[in-house]
Amino acid sequence: QVQLQESGPGLVKPSETLSLTCTVSGASVSSGDYYWSWIRQPPGKGLEWIGYIYNIGSTNYNPSLMSRVTISVDTSKNQFSLKLSSVTAADTAVYYCARNSGDSWGQGTLVSVSS
Amino acid sequence: EIVLTQSPGTLSLSPGERATLSCRASQSVSSSYLAWYQQKPGQAPRLLIYGASSRATGIPDRFSGSGSGTDFTLTISRLEPEDFVVYYCQQYGSSPYTFGQGTKLEIK
Repeated sequence: QVQLQESGPGLVKPSETLSLTCTVSGASVSSGDYYWSWIRQPPGKGLEWIGYIYNIGSTNYNPSLMSRVTISVDTSKNQFSLKLSSVTAADTAVYYCARNSGDSWGQGTLVSVSS
Repeated sequence: EIVLTQSPGTLSLSPGERATLSCRASQSVSSSYLAWYQQKPGQAPRLLIYGASSRATGIPDRFSGSGSGTDFTLTISRLEPEDFVVYYCQQYGSSPYTFGQGTKLEIK
């Protein structure tokens, strides 16, 4: 059974960089079988796909966030990470990591952007 | 970008009734790469349907998906009390992947 768990700061100041990590168990992030995604959900709103990484270094990002997003993999820890730069209050959301097949998600972590 | 429009926004029904949720795409969804998710309050979305009509592992057979091209439907044949939550469709055939705005199923 594949399990994912997000971790990272719950509060980020405006203009700074949001950094989250997803730890995966039951599957290898370095396997080419799956893509590994980040999705977010502002409080009370719908879901927004941020992007995914596959084959360790290949990425695909939502154009609306592309200039600020970086997704990377740490194979030694079986983790993948999200960095979102120059954050504003509009980036306040629950951030989920998930396997691209949609059948495995982390529980989500709320990140608030506030001074 | 493919825009997904779900209707209705809110659906009021009673337990035991049949629910029909719609998801319409602004352009054809490649290879029927359309999924449906259920989201309960405070939880991550749960995959119900993928490939427009294939049930995910462990999903009861009262949930079914259909459609192709630009029009897709999620049907819940006999509503159980735990089904009254929010449902999202998602297309994953064309980047950027996109979600519908959601349909809330409420008890009448």
